[in-house]
Amino acid sequence: EAGVTQFPSHSVIEKGQTVTLRCDPISGHDNLYWYRRVMGKEIKFLLHFVKESKQDESGMPNNRFLAERTGGTYSTLKVQPAELEDSGVYFCASSRGLQETQYFGPGTRLLVL
Amino acid sequence: GIQVEQSPPDLILQEGANSTLRCNFSDSVNNLQWFHQNPWGQLINLFYIPSGTKQNGRLSATTVATERYSLLYISSSQTTDSGVYFCAVLETSGSRLTFGEGTQLTVNP
Repeated sequence: EAGVTQFPSHSVIEKGQTVTLRCDPISGHDNLYWYRRVMGKEIKFLLHFVKESKQDESGMPNNRFLAERTGGTYSTLKVQPAELEDSGVYFCASSRGLQETQYFGPGTRLLVL
Repeated sequence: GIQVEQSPPDLILQEGANSTLRCNFSDSVNNLQWFHQNPWGQLINLFYIPSGTKQNGRLSATTVATERYSLLYISSSQTTDSGVYFCAVLETSGSRLTFGEGTQLTVNP
């Protein structure tokens, strides 16, 4: 069984540009989560999808961040326009059930210059 | 929201030594996971352990849910064990994992 995959693995962009991150969850996992670790701090929750619906997006920092999960399969996280403080590692995770183990992808390292 | 505290924040060991990492949490949880973030930034699942004890090779973990803490034991440490170890908990009423700040482990040859 393939794990959670994320693309790209690294992205370097300039302030003001747009970046789109992609996450493919484990097949059959209805729950998909986005988290991020910025500036070496703790990993923080961004949002949670159940299938194609946003269940909880209370962790999204501001309206420059837009997440979608069309069709309930893969998800994208767009940052537009990117700011310096958005630099960090963005993780995606998926789980079969709501309170079950969350499996994390390898992350996307984002650097905004 | 729930608070998660990990200790120690930093730990330096010689290869072959044993260590214990601790995770305290402030409220009842439905799930607790331990992760290892390797030098490449990847988060590796170590244990799903809301209660009890589990072992996997040189690693073992114990969660005492009634006292709101979990311990991760690393025996005969190797240089490849280096990285950040995170504890994360899932509150009884939620779906998000709340992470501690991690323990930075360095194992020297």
